[in-house]
Amino acid sequence: NAGVTQTPKFRVLKTGQSMTLLCAQDMNHEYMYWYRQDPGMGLRLIHYSVGEGTTAKGEVPDGYNVSRLKKQNFLLGLESAAPSQTSVYFCASRYPGQGEAFFGQGTRLTVV
Amino acid sequence: AQSVTQPDIHITVSEGASLELRCNYSYGATPYLFWYVQSPGQGLQLLLKYFSGDTLVQGIKGFEAEFKRSQSSFNLRKPSVHWSDAAEYFCAVGARPDYKLSFGAGTTVTVRA
Repeated sequence: NAGVTQTPKFRVLKTGQSMTLLCAQDMNHEYMYWYRQDPGMGLRLIHYSVGEGTTAKGEVPDGYNVSRLKKQNFLLGLESAAPSQTSVYFCASRYPGQGEAFFGQGTRLTVV
Repeated sequence: AQSVTQPDIHITVSEGASLELRCNYSYGATPYLFWYVQSPGQGLQLLLKYFSGDTLVQGIKGFEAEFKRSQSSFNLRKPSVHWSDAAEYFCAVGARPDYKLSFGAGTTVTVRA
């Protein structure tokens, strides 16, 4: 049982490049989330999804897009990367209601 | 919107001593509350959670937390700290209807021998 898997684990981008981060979960969870973690700021919600085909903005959505075409996958896209997007990105998933969130191992992204 | 405050950025504790991490939340109704732990370079692991009922909840690794509605707090405690408890700890609050989790800034715990 893999849980929540994030791909890739590390990436270095040049300013202006684009990339997609993949989150896959095998727990049949309805809800999925993308967070970014920066020193001293905890985890901040970028986008989330409450079901296949649905997405919504979180606290810091600017510069990111997401898609949830399949229930098990949640993709985070950066169309034109900026140095301010250097961060560690975490994906999480959960059942609706009282279920706890399960987190992936994170993706460390550096934009130079 | 909900929010979480963890007043202590960094705590240093001796091995074997007790530990208490503070968490205060802001939310209009009864929240769902969580404590997560993150070891360096790792993802987040759930320590414990509170949804309703008994306000003192037990978690893994010997941790417990107490929900105090009157103080809007959910402090985490451990009676005797082990060196392996050195990590960053996050308090989080979840709210209906979409149960987004809002996290505090985290408290880094250092354990000295």
